[in-house]
Amino acid sequence: EAGVAQSPRYKIIEKRQSVAFWCNPISGHATLYWYQQILGQGPKLLIQFQNNGVVDDSQLPKDRFSAERLKGVDSTLKIQPAKLEDSAVYLCASSPTGTGGVGELFFGEGSRLTVL
Amino acid sequence: AQRVTQPEKLLSVFKGAPVELKCNYSYSGSPELFWYVQYSRQRLQLLLRHISRESIKGFTADLNKGETSFHLKKPFAQEEDSAMYYCALKTNNAGNMLTFGGGTRLMVKP
Repeated sequence: EAGVAQSPRYKIIEKRQSVAFWCNPISGHATLYWYQQILGQGPKLLIQFQNNGVVDDSQLPKDRFSAERLKGVDSTLKIQPAKLEDSAVYLCASSPTGTGGVGELFFGEGSRLTVL
Repeated sequence: AQRVTQPEKLLSVFKGAPVELKCNYSYSGSPELFWYVQYSRQRLQLLLRHISRESIKGFTADLNKGETSFHLKKPFAQEEDSAMYYCALKTNNAGNMLTFGGGTRLMVKP
């Protein structure tokens, strides 16, 4: 089966510019996650969707980050305006179930953002 | 709030030596623990979960609620075990949310 697809793989922007990342989960997976992984750290959850609804976005910096999953399939994460500290790998993951699931997340290859 | 701590950033061992990657957690509820692995140039993927009590690629991990630990062990390390290892905690809240530790890089030398 095809894995989680993300694009672009790499992006370099200047601070105060905007950027968008796209994710297509594994077909049939109801739950989609965006994680931020700063160099040397573990992944940190930004937002979790169940179908097209938000389950948790408590760690999403909402003044500059936004995410949507309009049709319950693919998703877009946007940063506007970007700051230097947003430099990180943005990981998208999906899982078949939400509440009560067994904890296996399927990850994409990630989108590496460098903010200059 | 939940927290996962992996005290070692880097663990270097020789091939054939035993390996133990440490993981400690803090969570007031009933935890579910996982180990994820990322090999060079590959995606982050599930290695094992405590509820399965399984051995994957020779690795095992036992949940110790008294010590709030979930250390990953392998009796004889292989060079192909070299990778980043992340411990993760699933909390009993809405959704399937995982909190990850900071990761440990395992290097197995020939």
